[in-house]
Amino acid sequence: EAGVAQSPRYKIIEKRQSVAFWCNPISGHATLYWYQQILGQGPKLLIQFQNNGVVDDSQLPKDRFSAERLKGVDSTLKIQPAKLEDSAVYLCASSFGQGDLYEQYFGPGTRLTVT
Amino acid sequence: GNSVTQMEGPVTLSEEAFLTINCTYTATGYPSLFWYVQYPGEGLQLLLKATKADDKGSNKGFEATYRKETTSFHLEKGSVQVSDSAVYFCAFILTGGGNKLTFGTGTQLKVEL
Repeated sequence: EAGVAQSPRYKIIEKRQSVAFWCNPISGHATLYWYQQILGQGPKLLIQFQNNGVVDDSQLPKDRFSAERLKGVDSTLKIQPAKLEDSAVYLCASSFGQGDLYEQYFGPGTRLTVT
Repeated sequence: GNSVTQMEGPVTLSEEAFLTINCTYTATGYPSLFWYVQYPGEGLQLLLKATKADDKGSNKGFEATYRKETTSFHLEKGSVQVSDSAVYFCAFILTGGGNKLTFGTGTQLKVEL
């Protein structure tokens, strides 16, 4: 079974530029999550989708971050414009359902460096 | 608020040594507890979990017991191997919380020959 795929694996941009990350979840997984992991910290949930609807985006900085999952499968996370403090690893995860204790499977992450 | 506190790393051990990584939590509701592991260059993987008080999660020789009275979920292994070198994250999900994980900051483990 293929795991969660993410691309690119690494990205370096200058502040005020835009960037987009892509995630393809495990086939059949209805729930998709984006986490931000700043160096030295644990992952923090940015947004959670159930199919193509948003379940929780309470910690997404909506002035600069956006995410979509138009067809309920793969997803894109965008930052526009980027700030230095956005330097982090962005993790995508998926689970079969959104109920408690459905195991979340994580992708390898995209490491973003903003200079 | 909800949070997880883990011991700071890196933790450096010799092969076959005993491992303990401390984890305590603060939760507004009733949590299920998890340990995730992140090997170099790979994504987070679920290592073990416990869903109610006094449950013991175990996997690959690692164990952790859900201690509600001390709000703790310490990770232990009797004999570590070089291949256990990784970053370990303690986390929880609140019952009815929509499967939202709250993570600790992670503890890096280095095992040397």
